Amino acid sequence: DQQVKQNSPSLSVQEGRISILNCDYTNSMFDYFLWYKKYPAEGPTFLISISSIKDKNEDGRFTVFLNKSAKHLSLHIVPSQPGDSAVYFCAARVSGSARQLTFGSGTQLTVLP
Amino acid sequence: SQTIHQWPATLVQPVGSPLSLECTVEGTSNPNLYWYRQAAGRGLQLLFYSVGIGQISSEVPQNLSASRPQDRQFILSSKKLLLSDSGFYLCAWGASASFRAFGSGTRLTVV
Repeated sequence: DQQVKQNSPSLSVQEGRISILNCDYTNSMFDYFLWYKKYPAEGPTFLISISSIKDKNEDGRFTVFLNKSAKHLSLHIVPSQPGDSAVYFCAARVSGSARQLTFGSGTQLTVLP
Repeated sequence: SQTIHQWPATLVQPVGSPLSLECTVEGTSNPNLYWYRQAAGRGLQLLFYSVGIGQISSEVPQNLSASRPQDRQFILSSKKLLLSDSGFYLCAWGASASFRAFGSGTRLTVV
């Protein structure tokens, strides 16, 4: 049972346009959400996060939106750059559980020059 | 600053052979350490979790085992590899309850 789902395995966007990566979750106990970025043959690196008490967090070109009623979060990248091409994982944490994060299956973003 | 080292980067092993992947963390003490596996279309699956020396929690039943002989060392092992053990293995340490810092990963191919 996948509690965190990224239903789009891939996304292609033109350079300069907006990239929107989506993530849905089923566990209402999740209270903290993260996005990780992964290049081939490298470990994931932390990108941005959001607490469930917020609905938006922005860091430069990256903005994460959280819709708790829909159990949905999204990552917006504006403007998209070729260097943004990577696999993006969303992850979620249950309140009080330091043991693990639950990761989605990832979305391969390709930014076309 | 904290750094995490994981090796080897790639490994090709025959079925039935043993496995030992090593991970070390620098710049922190008593870290929470994790082993993940990335399988195609499955995201990052947590395999093992350790809060201290000799303390290992297994998250999924499998052919693998983990050990933590030293505070900043985490080892993933198998006595006999299966074809299904192929994958991309990632070591991570818990910089906080929420944050994970990952190593560069090991691509294991069992042939």
